Amino acid sequence: DAGITQSPRYKITETGRQVTLMCHQTWSHSYMFWYRQDLGHGLRLIYYSAAADITDKGEVPDGYVVSRSKTENFPLTLESATRSQTSVYFCASSTGRAGELFFGEGSRLTVL
Amino acid sequence: GIQVEQSPPDLILQEGANSTLRCNFSDSVNNLQWFHQNPWGQLINLFYIPSGTKQNGRLSATTVATERYSLLYISSSQTTDSGVYFCAVDNYGQNFVFGPGTRLSVLP
Repeated sequence: DAGITQSPRYKITETGRQVTLMCHQTWSHSYMFWYRQDLGHGLRLIYYSAAADITDKGEVPDGYVVSRSKTENFPLTLESATRSQTSVYFCASSTGRAGELFFGEGSRLTVL
Repeated sequence: GIQVEQSPPDLILQEGANSTLRCNFSDSVNNLQWFHQNPWGQLINLFYIPSGTKQNGRLSATTVATERYSLLYISSSQTTDSGVYFCAVDNYGQNFVFGPGTRLSVLP
């Protein structure tokens, strides 16, 4: 039971580069979410998706792009990375918008 | 939007002690979850508890939605219980909002 997996787990990049964080779930959950976790701000929602081809903004969407062509995948792209996007990124899935959330292991991104 | 507070912010215990963590929220909620973030950063589901009481081994949780709080009880704490405990609430149609967490350190 693979559950929800994220890749890469660790990434170092430079300002201005494009970075894509991958998220894959095997439960066929309809909802998927991207959160970032920062000291002093806790966990904040970036984007979420209710189904394939349906995405919506969360609390902190600026600088990020998402897509969901298949139910099981929900990649997060930083089109031009900035230092303020240095963070730990968590992908999550659930059966409904307010359903039980299950998290991936996180991706630690450092932007130099 | 809904505000979520957790107390205490930090807690240090000796192994074997019991503890109660509290989550207060400012508005009616549809659902509530408790998570444990272990020292390696993994977020682990503890309880999905919009109301009532649930127990899982040494852990139990109670949510009193009408009074806008939830409690997480940890009995006979172990060093593996160390980490940060988050509650997250869903405010009827909004997405889950996370509290700031309680950092627990269990000393051997």
